[in-house]
Amino acid sequence: NAGVTQTPKFQVLKTGQSMTLQCAQDMNHEYMSWYRQDPGMGLRLIHYSVGAGITDQGEVPNGYNVSRSTTEDFPLRLLSAAPSQTSVYFCASSYSLPGQLDQPQHFGDGTRLSIL
Amino acid sequence: GENVEQHPSTLSVQEGDSAVIKCTYSDSASNYFPWYKQELGKGPQLIIDIRSNVGEKKDQRIAVTLNKTAKHFSLHITETQPEDSAVYFCAAAIPEKNSGYSTLTFGKGTMLLVSP
Repeated sequence: NAGVTQTPKFQVLKTGQSMTLQCAQDMNHEYMSWYRQDPGMGLRLIHYSVGAGITDQGEVPNGYNVSRSTTEDFPLRLLSAAPSQTSVYFCASSYSLPGQLDQPQHFGDGTRLSIL
Repeated sequence: GENVEQHPSTLSVQEGDSAVIKCTYSDSASNYFPWYKQELGKGPQLIIDIRSNVGEKKDQRIAVTLNKTAKHFSLHITETQPEDSAVYFCAAAIPEKNSGYSTLTFGKGTMLLVSP
């Protein structure tokens, strides 16, 4: 049982490049989300999905796109990388929405992204 | 939106002492309050949570208390051990006004260092 798998673990990009951060879960979870973690800022929600075909914006969505074509995968796309997007990105999944039922969010181990 | 404040940002204790981390939230509609532990290079892991209809919850050496009137909640760790050293995050779940879906807002984290 792999849980939440994020790839790559590390990436360096140049300003203006695009890339996709991958997130996959094997727990048949409906709810998936992307966060970014910056020093002293905690985790901030970028986008989330409540099921295949349904996504919504979080607190800091600008510069990022998501799609959810399958239950298992929730990729995060950087359209044109900027130095301000240098961060650690975490994907999370859960069976239900936060607070519904007693089902915790499971986090991946993150992707460390540097934009030069 | 919801705002979660967390204090202190760093906390150093001796092994065997108790540690207390406090959080306040701004929106009275928040109904679920999880606490996460993050070890170096890993994603956050849920350690305990509490719902808005409960005042206190314990799990071995860890307890969480909630004061809805004052809109604050706290994490208590007793008999601390060096392996408790990590960054701890509080969070609050609130239904989004437009979609109705719940999302988590995180505090900025507390680095706990337990010295042997």
